[in-house]
Amino acid sequence: QVQLVQSGAEVKKPGASVKVSCKASGYIFSDYYMHWVRQAPGQGLEWMGWIRPKSGATNYAQKFQGRVTMTRDTSIRTAYMELNRLRFDDTAVYYCTRDGGSGESDYWGQGTLVTVSS
Amino acid sequence: SYELTQPPSVSVSPGQTASITCSGDKLGDKYVCWYQQKPGQSPVLVIYEDTKRPSGIPERFSGSNSGNTATLTISGTQAMDEADYYCQAWDVSTYVFGPGTKVTVL
Repeated sequence: QVQLVQSGAEVKKPGASVKVSCKASGYIFSDYYMHWVRQAPGQGLEWMGWIRPKSGATNYAQKFQGRVTMTRDTSIRTAYMELNRLRFDDTAVYYCTRDGGSGESDYWGQGTLVTVSS
Repeated sequence: SYELTQPPSVSVSPGQTASITCSGDKLGDKYVCWYQQKPGQSPVLVIYEDTKRPSGIPERFSGSNSGNTATLTISGTQAMDEADYYCQAWDVSTYVFGPGTKVTVL
């Protein structure tokens, strides 16, 4: 069965960086795009970008360009999302999701809470 | 940038039909999907490619998309369907989410 297992919760200070991992299993990792979506407390879903594991190509939401980097290690079927220069309003649950092929996220990780606090 | 709108809330009585709309310019030209999210849980895909249900999603969930509006319909709504629902479209290689609709089963 398809599973996306994310790294644990993080607490960071403003200005720091955070790197969240997402380990995939149950399918061919290179065959499906991986997206990152975040959700601030009590708020809606916000798309951050995608990575194509086969090539490493990325596409970031304009809001995060220059601050986010998405990478992958195909040898261990793991995707990463690094967000730099953290601000208080980056406090959110960050999800990795698998794109099913028609622009929908058919599987989601369990989420990683990133708290930015001084 | 492309935007989607949803009503903030919808109320429905058990056993009745709930309809949640999602509006955007020429939305009918794009594929729309819908997610259900319950408190403290990751979102779950309930409709994709406008009308298709993933395996395991009950038949009471259905979708449509035409013109500028996509609609998620929950027929015979049950208490367990109380949740937030988000529409999402794929536009120029990006995901666009609607703001979400809270469905309350009274």
